[in-house]
Amino acid sequence: DVKVTQSSRYLVKRTGEKVFLECVQDMDHENMFWYRQDPGLGLRLIYFSYDVKMKEKGDIPEGYSVSREKKERFSLILESASTNQTSMYLCASSPNPGELFFGEGSRLTVL
Amino acid sequence: EDQVTQSPEALRLQEGESSSLNCSYTVSGLRGLFWYRQDPGKGPEFLFTLYSAGEEKEKERLKATLTKKESFLHITAPKPEDSATYLCAVQAYYGQNFVFGPGTRLSVLP
Repeated sequence: DVKVTQSSRYLVKRTGEKVFLECVQDMDHENMFWYRQDPGLGLRLIYFSYDVKMKEKGDIPEGYSVSREKKERFSLILESASTNQTSMYLCASSPNPGELFFGEGSRLTVL
Repeated sequence: EDQVTQSPEALRLQEGESSSLNCSYTVSGLRGLFWYRQDPGKGPEFLFTLYSAGEEKEKERLKATLTKKESFLHITAPKPEDSATYLCAVQAYYGQNFVFGPGTRLSVLP
């Protein structure tokens, strides 16, 4: 069965902290994605990666960075968390071409 | 710019009352149109991929259809467990990105 695993389901952080969200897929997919989902705004793409060490900015990359050192792992980094980054973060992977498979999500609260 | 809209925003049905959800899209060269189901607090779950106008796919009480401008998700005799938000997304030939619609929140009352 297809599996995308996100490291934390719920996190609470303070403003200014560095936050790591990790995602691992076991399907050998080329592409991996980070989205955030907010009420009324839907799913918005932060970054995606189409190969190891390759990354592309999505629609809302400001305040975020990513790392893909291995094919199966894609990390999202908030260098200095702010309250407007409180959100649900969703990782996904896909073959090329093919559909997205999502993880369970990480709900981040920044105080 | 690629765009996806969905209607209605929310839909309440009685159990057994069939209906359809709409997804309208504009994209420069459609590679695929995707339907997902999302339960509260969880990640979206893949339902269907449609590639070309006229294509149809079915799964239990759900049937997805595709034209050149829109897709419909038909729900036949829904049950309360079909209550969820249904998301539509498109992918263009020129990139790997997926553009999502805002979703339709479906409630099926017993």
